[in-house]
Amino acid sequence: EPEVTQTPSHQVTQMGQEVILRCVPISNHLYFYWYRQILGQKVEFLVSFYNNEISEKSEIFDDQFSVERPDGSNFTLKIRSTKLEDSAMYFCASSERLATYNEQFFGPGTRLTVL
Amino acid sequence: AQTVTQSQPEMSVQEAETVTLSCTYDTSESDYYLFWYKQPPSRQMILVIRQEAYKQQNATENRFSVNFQKAAKSFSLKISDSQLGDAAMYFCAYRSGRENNDMRFGAGTRLTVKP
Repeated sequence: EPEVTQTPSHQVTQMGQEVILRCVPISNHLYFYWYRQILGQKVEFLVSFYNNEISEKSEIFDDQFSVERPDGSNFTLKIRSTKLEDSAMYFCASSERLATYNEQFFGPGTRLTVL
Repeated sequence: AQTVTQSQPEMSVQEAETVTLSCTYDTSESDYYLFWYKQPPSRQMILVIRQEAYKQQNATENRFSVNFQKAAKSFSLKISDSQLGDAAMYFCAYRSGRENNDMRFGAGTRLTVKP
């Protein structure tokens, strides 16, 4: 069964450094999402992406964040200058269609630790 | 803003017994969708069951069923004949019917299944 994959599984970085989290969505999916979960807190929506542009973003998704689909398969989240509070699990998800009923398929997550 | 509350951080059930996980939500919308996701240890979240708010009939998927009380804004998950493989974090999630891409999650309930 096709799955969303994410790399790396764990990323450790120094505060102020840039990180890129990578995701490979399911191949025939058109809608892509990033969520994050700070340890012990809720899973929070960051951004959704369709047709090579952001379709929706939360208040968390400020100027330090960006997303890109550099080729036909990868979907990346870049954090420009990491802060301690960016430490979290970051989940990528994809769905075939936009309709709210449609299931979002999640990746296993990347644990980002900012020191 | 919509919020989702899971009041049980941890639950435990004996194998083959039944357990109910609670979820309440707050919204002013009438059209929305509710989901339960399961996240096994070190694995990605997978959809367990979903419910359209306009449907009065409770959704059922094999051993998983929901008790959807729209007026009370309650969406509990019942797992019957619990199996060891049911042990996981369970997240309740809300999604607006306005084709908003945003999915709102509860904090999760960690379910332990005792043999």
